Amino acid sequence: GQNIDQPTEMTATEGAIVQINCTYQTSGFNGLFWYQQHAGEAPTFLSYNVLDGLEEKGRFSSFLSRSKGYSYLLLKELQMKDSASYLCAHTSGFQKLVFGTGTRLLVSP
Amino acid sequence: DVKVTQSSRYLVKRTGEKVFLECVQDMDHENMFWYRQDPGLGLRLIYFSYDVKMKEKGDIPEGYSVSREKKERFSLILESASTNQTSMYLCASSFVDRPGRDSYEQYFGPGTRLTVT
Repeated sequence: GQNIDQPTEMTATEGAIVQINCTYQTSGFNGLFWYQQHAGEAPTFLSYNVLDGLEEKGRFSSFLSRSKGYSYLLLKELQMKDSASYLCAHTSGFQKLVFGTGTRLLVSP
Repeated sequence: DVKVTQSSRYLVKRTGEKVFLECVQDMDHENMFWYRQDPGLGLRLIYFSYDVKMKEKGDIPEGYSVSREKKERFSLILESASTNQTSMYLCASSFVDRPGRDSYEQYFGPGTRLTVT
């Protein structure tokens, strides 16, 4: 993605916790989204942060620091089905999303 | 549940052909988007529309055009397909951000894998 950076690939074991980081640079920031995409499928919405801090949603949490241009997605109690790509995206005016290239997470037994 | 459908999952076309990709959403969303997704490049915005008959260029509009004659339908047109347009094409839709609305996430269709030979 243009001005969004996230790691290309991460590995973790079942039951563990993993943190996927995302840094971005933009003007006119409106919000930060995380999407999950399983291979061959469409992205599905996970979380949205517009204010600084942590948003928790079950096993998934997302954090945002606007001053640092930084976000992370935290996945707890990893399951095999969590193996997917995780896409970070920020809004760029008129509700357009600018996506990172995605982080492919491999969960092993 | 929001549903975004795309006309084809897989499509094979020849170089120079005119290609139409159709997208329909059933949630009365104002915004509709067309992306392409390529390995190592992520999702890139081709065109978007925030109202009927309105369209705006995204980051990579060259070689594409769009049409939005009805609110629920957004079409992507490849005027003369080329091999570098072989890609996964994803359509998405969302509400316009309004006060009181928590978020305006985009909902994606299943994608069309287009191969141009």
